[in-house]
Amino acid sequence: DSGVTQTPKHLITATGQRVTLRCSPRSGDLSVYWYQQSLDQGLQFLIQYYNGEERAKGNILERFSAQQFPDLHSELNLSSLELGDSALYFCASSVATGTGDTGELFFGEGSRLTVL
Amino acid sequence: DAKTTQPPSMDCAEGRAANLPCNHSTISGNEYVYWYRQIHSQGPQYIIHGLKNNETNEMASLIITEDRKSSTLILPHATLRDTAVYYCIVRNYYSSASKIIFGSGTRLSIRP
Repeated sequence: DSGVTQTPKHLITATGQRVTLRCSPRSGDLSVYWYQQSLDQGLQFLIQYYNGEERAKGNILERFSAQQFPDLHSELNLSSLELGDSALYFCASSVATGTGDTGELFFGEGSRLTVL
Repeated sequence: DAKTTQPPSMDCAEGRAANLPCNHSTISGNEYVYWYRQIHSQGPQYIIHGLKNNETNEMASLIITEDRKSSTLILPHATLRDTAVYYCIVRNYYSSASKIIFGSGTRLSIRP
């Protein structure tokens, strides 16, 4: 158990719909990272937050958005869903230091999204 | 894009040492080398990281060449449970803004 909690574990929805994936980082971790992994594909970096602020952005679609709340949990919002958005979505948190995080990521078990 | 190069696949006999290479020829002075693995569709698992000295923990050893352009992850006594995709990553330590990019990794198969 990494200490990172992701909900829901599984989600099935239809094209055009909107879903929200939730991530609770490990206690004390200030950094949250989101990744997308399509079937048999690598991990694609989406976005990183540090203590509530967006700090790094990957190839995240405009239909996707994220935020990190004051209690440090994070949500990834996916809208106007397409078949190709079906994937595992992982959240990871990292040990915080005074100036940043250590890069040691602790991953949740992922949220498996199926778009029909 | 990933700044590391790894062989797409390797295999190793159970009980033997598995040596996974990684090339990071463009690594900068303040970047560390990190290794992760992903077993099937589970969340990736942190293994080890290092700057320039060899590192060892309960899971593995990390050997970084003197010029820091390449490294090798060593699993000393591979078991079937070590079958996974292994990722080598370089990144600044203590960074508050970081794209931690996972490349294609090496798919390690352990044969009985």
